[in-house]
Amino acid sequence: GAVVSQHPSWVICKSGTSVKIECRSLDFQATTMFWYRQFPKQSLMLMATSNEGSKATYEQGVEKDKFLINHASLTLSTLTVTSAHPEDSSFYICSAADRGRPLNSPLHFGNGTRLTVT
Amino acid sequence: SQELEQSPQSLIVQEGKNLTINCTSSKTLYGLYWYKQKYGEGLIFLMMLQKGGEEKSHEKITAKLDEKKQQSSLHITASQPSHAGIYLCGAALFSGGGADGLTFGKGTHLIIQP
Repeated sequence: GAVVSQHPSWVICKSGTSVKIECRSLDFQATTMFWYRQFPKQSLMLMATSNEGSKATYEQGVEKDKFLINHASLTLSTLTVTSAHPEDSSFYICSAADRGRPLNSPLHFGNGTRLTVT
Repeated sequence: SQELEQSPQSLIVQEGKNLTINCTSSKTLYGLYWYKQKYGEGLIFLMMLQKGGEEKSHEKITAKLDEKKQQSSLHITASQPSHAGIYLCGAALFSGGGADGLTFGKGTHLIIQP
């Protein structure tokens, strides 16, 4: 079945540094990838939609200069949290839509990245 | 207000009993996805519903989408410890379906008591 690999699974960084999270579709091509954020015991909140070869679309309230998204290929999207602060600590999870499937096909999720900013 | 309401927020069920989780949208659903998540881990796809009145089953889990396509229920029969986890409903609220991203409910934390 379709697999989405997310790396790293957890990361601890110091305040002020930047952290890059990778999301890869392993056995399919993903024209579109989505980045979500989840706080403890909360639902997933869509942060941005990553489109291969074009600029990402950010949801209202999400700072595009803080959360840089790059989708340079059909199998890789990256989310970089720049100048991280403790309030950026959260669980980040990506999902990908298989370009070879109909629009309403299941979205495949990565296993998430737990970011802790000290 | 929350576009997607999921209930109950948490549920403790004795092993072997049946249970139902509901997901209600304030908008028409272009697709409704059920996922299971262990906290701090990725999402496991369970089922997707698209047509009004549609019902799907997998092992002991059945999901339905009502005729008006604004409410879905997830029913587990004869619950087992392996069913424990967080169940999330995700809705495609736009005509592009899942390709436009999903809006998620807050989740239902299911605990199975032996």
